[in-house]
Amino acid sequence: KNQVEQSPQSLIILEGKNCTLQCNYTVSPFSNLRWYKQDTGRGPVSLTIMTFSENTKSNGRYTATLDADTKQSSLHITASQLSDSASYICVVSADRLSDDMRFGAGTRLTVKP
Amino acid sequence: KAGVTQTPRYLIKTRGQQVTLSCSPISGHRSVSWYQQTPGQGLQFLFEYFSETQRNKGNFPGRFSGRQFSNSRSEMNVSTLELGDSALYLCASSFTGEETQYFGPGTRLLVL
Repeated sequence: KNQVEQSPQSLIILEGKNCTLQCNYTVSPFSNLRWYKQDTGRGPVSLTIMTFSENTKSNGRYTATLDADTKQSSLHITASQLSDSASYICVVSADRLSDDMRFGAGTRLTVKP
Repeated sequence: KAGVTQTPRYLIKTRGQQVTLSCSPISGHRSVSWYQQTPGQGLQFLFEYFSETQRNKGNFPGRFSGRQFSNSRSEMNVSTLELGDSALYLCASSFTGEETQYFGPGTRLLVL
């Protein structure tokens, strides 16, 4: 069973609207959580990285939140643009000593005009 | 500042052969990680090198190996290729491995 679950699997929104993507994990211990954006046919682009002590981090129109107690993270996209159409992948790393990284299956976001 | 570069960009091999992929990190970055991406399995972590030492390793067979040179450039080797090794292989670099990673464009490997 995947230890990182993302929802929804896919999402279609209209340009200009906001949306929130979810990431729930059971990875333990916990070191950090990353959100990546991946355009079709291209390598992932790192959006945010958060450690245990951080509960929110912004990168332009992207805001990630982390609740380490409930093991949940969300990625909020504000005022979506057509270029936001991509897959968004959540990656959770366990303690570095255990060399354990778990990847979510991603959420496929489509922004329509 | 130049980004992460990977060579070659595309590669076609046959089963049983071996392949070496190269990754040049952003100048000053000492951590280099390798990932495999396939439609079925998604993105999977292979290994991470830092200062010429493998620091982390994912759950891949021993056919997958790597190394890092003193200039932080890294190579990944896959021996005895199998059809299932067809994938996009991504390399990412960062200063220490604990902050934002920057990905290269990837090497698309096709095993026939």
